[in-house]
Amino acid sequence: KAGVTQTPRYLIKTRGQQVTLSCSPISGHRSVSWYQQTPGQGLQFLFEYFSETQRNKGNFPGRFSGRQFSNSRSEMNVSTLELGDSALYLCASSLGPVGTGTDTQYFGPGTRLTVL
Amino acid sequence: AQSVTQLGSHVSVSEGALVLLRCNYSSSVPPYLFWYVQYPNQGLQLLLKYTSAATLVKGINGFEAEFKKSETSFHLTKPSAHMSDAAEYFCAVSDPFGNEKLTFGTGTRLTIIP
Repeated sequence: KAGVTQTPRYLIKTRGQQVTLSCSPISGHRSVSWYQQTPGQGLQFLFEYFSETQRNKGNFPGRFSGRQFSNSRSEMNVSTLELGDSALYLCASSLGPVGTGTDTQYFGPGTRLTVL
Repeated sequence: AQSVTQLGSHVSVSEGALVLLRCNYSSSVPPYLFWYVQYPNQGLQLLLKYTSAATLVKGINGFEAEFKKSETSFHLTKPSAHMSDAAEYFCAVSDPFGNEKLTFGTGTRLTIIP
């Protein structure tokens, strides 16, 4: 069974631009979560989607948004990029939503975003 | 609110020695607990998971962890360290009632000394 895939793997943008990252979950998984990982802040939760609905959201500004499609694929968008948005963005999928017996999260390799 | 504390951001052990990575949790309800490992330039890989069944959980690569409610701990151990164990390890907690997100600790970087 194929794992979680994220595209692109690497991205370089400049301040003020916007970016869209994509995540394809493991087949059959309906929950997708996004995390931002930086050396200073560690792993921070962005949001979780289950069956196209946002279940939970972390403490990030409105510039960070996401969505999930009917095939469970998910995208996250960051508008008006800032230097501090440079990070590894990780996507994780699970059969069921976080906090259930089927919520073991499987992570993709991440997208490394660099903002210049 | 739930939280996880990992004691020691960096741990070094000699090859063949015992690996002990510490994790303490805070949760208002009996939690689900996880250990993940991250190798350089890669995503996180699940090592093991506790979901209120057996308190001693065995994972991949020879790792295991014991849930101790009285100590609110979920420490990760491996009897004999291997060079390939060098990585960053994250403990995480979730609420079985689905009220909160998966919360990660700050991570422990494990270095293996030849």
